Amino acid sequence: EAGVAQSPRYKIIEKRQSVAFWCNPISGHATLYWYQQILGQGPKLLIQFQNNGVVDDSQLPKDRFSAERLKGVDSTLKIQPAKLEDSAVYLCASSLLRDIYHEQYFGPGTRLTVT
Amino acid sequence: ILNVEQSPQSLHVQEGDSTNFTCSFPSSNFYALHWYRWETAKSPEALFVMTLNGDEKKKGRISATLNTKEGYSYLYIKGSQPEDSATYLCAPSYFQKLVFGTGTRLLVSP
Repeated sequence: EAGVAQSPRYKIIEKRQSVAFWCNPISGHATLYWYQQILGQGPKLLIQFQNNGVVDDSQLPKDRFSAERLKGVDSTLKIQPAKLEDSAVYLCASSLLRDIYHEQYFGPGTRLTVT
Repeated sequence: ILNVEQSPQSLHVQEGDSTNFTCSFPSSNFYALHWYRWETAKSPEALFVMTLNGDEKKKGRISATLNTKEGYSYLYIKGSQPEDSATYLCAPSYFQKLVFGTGTRLLVSP
């Protein structure tokens, strides 16, 4: 079974530039998550999708971050414009809708450096 | 905001040493406790899902215990090996959401 795919793996941009990350979840996983992990902190949930609908985006900085999950499969997360404090690893995860323990399967992440 | 604490923040041991880490979390409304192992440049990998019905799990040299009433979990590694070097994350789940701790970074020297 293929795992969660993410690209790019690494990205370096200057502040005020835009960047987009892509995620392809495990086939059949209806729920998709984007996390931000800043150095020294635990992963923080940015947004959760169930199929192509948003379940929770309460911690997404909506003035600069946006995410979509067209057709309920792949997802993209965009930052526009980027700030220095956006430097982090962005993790995508997916889970089965009917998993009662909400076990999440993670991709390798995208490490973003904003200079 | 739910506070999940892990200690120590980092640990450096010699090959063959046994070690343990702690995860403490608010015990009310929690549904399950997840442990993940995250090696540099790889995907976080699920180690255990600990439920309210079971308080101990084991996989090879790694085991974990859970105290649901007081809200803490211990992860034990017996006879650490260099390949155990990673960050170990715990994440209790509340209302279908995982809340991650800051992790314990383990380095095992040969």
